[in-house]
Amino acid sequence: ELKVEQNPLFLSMQEGKNYTIYCNYSTTSDRLYWYRQDPGKSLESLFVLLSNGAVKQEGRLMASLDTKARLSTLHITAAVHDLSATYFCAVDAQGAQKLVFGQGTRLTINP
Amino acid sequence: NAGVTQTPKFRILKIGQSMTLQCAQDMNHNYMYWYRQDPGMGLKLIYYSVGAGITDKGEVPNGYNVSRSTTEDFPLRLELAAPSQTSVYFCASSWRDTKLAKNIQYFGAGTRLSVL
Repeated sequence: ELKVEQNPLFLSMQEGKNYTIYCNYSTTSDRLYWYRQDPGKSLESLFVLLSNGAVKQEGRLMASLDTKARLSTLHITAAVHDLSATYFCAVDAQGAQKLVFGQGTRLTINP
Repeated sequence: NAGVTQTPKFRILKIGQSMTLQCAQDMNHNYMYWYRQDPGMGLKLIYYSVGAGITDKGEVPNGYNVSRSTTEDFPLRLELAAPSQTSVYFCASSWRDTKLAKNIQYFGAGTRLSVL
């Protein structure tokens, strides 16, 4: 059974700082997704990583995938308040028709 | 450009009542999903469908039923509502790109359900 674990689950940081959210998964997969959820809102797709070594960047967020380590990271550079949200990673097991989501990381960025 | 539309947005049910949560997508997606999200938690898959007439159980299907008679609609039925079904329910859809094997899911706004 595929398990997806994120850490940390809660992260409070100051504006301007850098930090990384980690997403580990338990079985072989080369497709990983990152989503953002604002409080009381729905989920929005951020990144799709489709191969080992894939790196995607959008503004202050950068996601990478290491399929051999079964690890994805979401790096935040020079955080700003607008990035406060819950971030989920999800893994698409090979041949599967569904995603398995991590628990989410609630990120709070303080001015 | 509606995307995934869920109705209702909010609902309060009494224990033992039944209701149907509606989900419709206008993107001609083949895959559709129902998730529940308990407060402060991640998403748990209830049921999913890979096409009209085909449905399958997810991680937490007990107490729910689904049907998919058309590509566009994927209603979720709650029979005999229980307090444990208090949650936010999200419907999602995707077009599974078999060439690249992508499965980007697009989510509806959610239905907030309380069972009292």
